Amino acid sequence: DGGITQSPKYLFRKEGQNVTLSCEQNLNHDAMYWYRQDPGQGLRLIYYSQIVNDFQKGDIAEGYSVSREKKESFPLTVTSAQKNPTAFYLCASTFLGNSPLHFGNGTRLTVT
Amino acid sequence: DAKTTQPNSMESNEEEPVHLPCNHSTISGTDYIHWYRQLPSQGPEYVIHGLTSNVNNRMASLAIAEDRKSSTLILHRATLRDAAVYYCIPAPGANSKLTFGKGITLSVRP
Repeated sequence: DGGITQSPKYLFRKEGQNVTLSCEQNLNHDAMYWYRQDPGQGLRLIYYSQIVNDFQKGDIAEGYSVSREKKESFPLTVTSAQKNPTAFYLCASTFLGNSPLHFGNGTRLTVT
Repeated sequence: DAKTTQPNSMESNEEEPVHLPCNHSTISGTDYIHWYRQLPSQGPEYVIHGLTSNVNNRMASLAIAEDRKSSTLILHRATLRDAAVYYCIPAPGANSKLTFGKGITLSVRP
């Protein structure tokens, strides 16, 4: 089945460590997105990419980094510079042009 | 970027219609209007989208104002499974920067 996969579902890290969240899609989508969601809040855009080897900052990119070496993959690294990394992270993908977003089921990151 | 305004929450009774509003007064002429919904601890799922005309699918209907500054998502018969957070977002045709607001939390009473 085609879809978008985020792994792991739950992730625990110690403060000061970098951590990488995985996002893979087999939908042949061009664009991929990373969002952050805090309890009771909406989704805030971290980074997005419309083509391989290119990506743009969203509204809250500080403390995060991404890469887009393959069309299918868009990993997000939460660096130690991110002050409040504990959150629910969602990855999404879509075709260029007007098409709906497809979301993964998210990774819940806890940093202590 | 176009901004959206939605009420924080709404309540409905089961099997009654629900009208969820969204204001997007700064939307550009080529932006589509997308609606998504999110159940607890899950990623959002697509509900419906449109440009100018009203749209229907198996999940819902979308009514778009003639001036495109607002839209309404219509659930014809609410069920308990429709309890979720509903987001409307303007989507540029190039699908570039897609920004979500806080959405409407819909509660459905049995």
